[in-house]
Amino acid sequence: GEDVEQSLFLSVREGDSSVINCTYTDSSSTYLYWYKQEPGAGLQLLTYIFSNMDMKQDQRLTVLLNKKDKHLSLRIADTQTGDSAIYFCALGGGYQKVTFGTGTKLQVIP
Amino acid sequence: SAVISQKPSRDICQRGTSLTIQCQVDSQVTMMFWYRQQPGQSLTLIATANQGSEATYESGFVIDKFPISRPNLTFSTLTVSNMSPEDSSIYLCSLLASGVGNEQFFGPGTRLTVL
Repeated sequence: GEDVEQSLFLSVREGDSSVINCTYTDSSSTYLYWYKQEPGAGLQLLTYIFSNMDMKQDQRLTVLLNKKDKHLSLRIADTQTGDSAIYFCALGGGYQKVTFGTGTKLQVIP
Repeated sequence: SAVISQKPSRDICQRGTSLTIQCQVDSQVTMMFWYRQQPGQSLTLIATANQGSEATYESGFVIDKFPISRPNLTFSTLTVSNMSPEDSSIYLCSLLASGVGNEQFFGPGTRLTVL
């Protein structure tokens, strides 16, 4: 099955950029997503990218996809304390099974 | 995006009992899903709930343990049967949106603790 790996933890200072990385093994997924989970809450869809795209920008969020290296990243510009959460990448979409990454806990230091 | 609600939001249950979790959506959707998130872990798909047919379970999950109902296009239930402490998790329902990205949107989750 699909393996989707993320680093467990990332700490950044408020105002800096955060880059959260995700690597995967199966390149057949049509869509690649980023979700945010705040403490005690469900998952919030942040953004997604089609597998035939290299980059997508949405306000402070930039998604980069390197299909050759099977690497997905989420860059958060001007990181704020409200961005502190666990971030999950997810692959699949549509009628394909969605597989979630292991999650990265982002800590923003004021 | 659709509004998804779950009841209960949390519960503490005794070993051997069962709990039914409800998921209500404010619009009609074809595909709904049930996930489990064990403490400190990622999400694992339990089953896909389609209206008018039996749920499709993922490897490692069986209907006797996690019976699912999908009586209409806006509602589904997941029952966690004969609970043990290992069932302590967050249970989330999600729906498949019909938009361009075919995104899944999630409910707020039900936090279950089994003593």
